[in-house]
Amino acid sequence: NAGVTQTPKFRVLKTGQSMTLLCAQDMNHEYMYWYRQDPGMGLRLIHYSVGEGTTAKGEVPDGYNVSRLKKQNFLLGLESAAPSQTSVYFCASCGVFYTEAFFGQGTRLTVV
Amino acid sequence: AQSVTQLGSHVSVSEGALVLLRCNYSSSVPPYLFWYVQYPNQGLQLLLKYTTGATLVKGINGFEAEFKKSETSFHLTKPSAHMSDAAEYFCAVSDFSRGNNRLAFGKGNQVVVIP
Repeated sequence: NAGVTQTPKFRVLKTGQSMTLLCAQDMNHEYMYWYRQDPGMGLRLIHYSVGEGTTAKGEVPDGYNVSRLKKQNFLLGLESAAPSQTSVYFCASCGVFYTEAFFGQGTRLTVV
Repeated sequence: AQSVTQLGSHVSVSEGALVLLRCNYSSSVPPYLFWYVQYPNQGLQLLLKYTTGATLVKGINGFEAEFKKSETSFHLTKPSAHMSDAAEYFCAVSDFSRGNNRLAFGKGNQVVVIP
């Protein structure tokens, strides 16, 4: 099983450019999450989704948008990238009863 | 909202010595608690979890943790550190409050194992 797959794995953007990060899971999980990881900050929740067609803001949502048109996919968009968005982004998915959240391998994004 | 506190961003331990990583949580409802490990340039992997039942939980690689409700703690231990334990460790909490289906993480502990 692939589990949770993130694409791309690495990306360098110029300030003001836009991009979309894709997260795909093959476990039929209802919940999906986007986190960013910065040194000394742990993982901070950007946006999450509790089901197809639904999204909600996490603790650091500014500058990001998300969509979940299909249950297996959760897209994270940056409309106008800023250097402060340089980070490692992780996607995770989880079944209804929170027995375990599964993480992707991460996307390392650098905004110059 | 639930939250997690992990003290000491960097923890050094000698090979063969006890590993102890502290985690305290706050939650308005009975929590589910997790420890995750992250090896360099990789995603997070579940070490162990507490949901209900036995409060002493055993995980992979010889780690265990004990849920203590009275202390709101879920400390992670391993009796004897191995070089392969060098990684970053995250404690996380979730609750099932209506409309709050989120996992909150601590800031992490970077564990260094000294030969």
